[in-house]
Amino acid sequence: DGGITQSPKYLFRKEGQNVTLSCEQNLNHDAMYWYRQDPGQGLRLIYYSQIVNDFQKGDIAEGYSVSREKKESFPLTVTSAQKNPTAFYLCASSPFRTGKATEAFFGQGTRLTVV
Amino acid sequence: AQTVTQSQPEMSVQEAETVTLSCTYDTSESDYYLFWYKQPPSRQMILVIRQEAYKQQNATENRFSVNFQKAAKSFSLKISDSQLGDAAMYFCAYRSSDFGNEKLTFGTGTRLTIIP
Repeated sequence: DGGITQSPKYLFRKEGQNVTLSCEQNLNHDAMYWYRQDPGQGLRLIYYSQIVNDFQKGDIAEGYSVSREKKESFPLTVTSAQKNPTAFYLCASSPFRTGKATEAFFGQGTRLTVV
Repeated sequence: AQTVTQSQPEMSVQEAETVTLSCTYDTSESDYYLFWYKQPPSRQMILVIRQEAYKQQNATENRFSVNFQKAAKSFSLKISDSQLGDAAMYFCAYRSSDFGNEKLTFGTGTRLTIIP
């Protein structure tokens, strides 16, 4: 089945540690996105990538880093510089430059908790 | 930068009744796309309906329809014959048609409760 997979579903991090969230898609989509979801704030864009080896900062990129070495994969690293990392993280992918209202497909999310 | 505003944090409706969720957006672009996504308790994001700004006709998908008012920059979602399974967070989203700026911008969401 085609889809987008995030792992792990739950993740616990000690303060001061970096942690990497995985996102893989087999939909052959060019564009991939990372969003952070907090209560009452909707989904806020962290980073997005529209092509391999290229990515752009979103609205809240500070304390996060990404890579896009393969079309299928877009891992997100939450660094120790992120002061409030406890949140729900969503990865998405979509076709690129279609000229249509093509939908973005979302993974099932990763709940990150700092302990 | 585009912004999306959902002014109703919570809404409730009796089962089988109709409810309308509001969404306004701010943009200087003339061509763009608008979406409503549903997030049930499982937290899986599901597309409900989409609208292309150049189309004047309002989109419909079964019990879901939109009222798209381009001049007013308004994109409300109407759910008819509400069902228990409609209970979820609903997010309005905007995407530019500019090929170099195809990121989705979301509103803060409306939590919809269905009253049996």
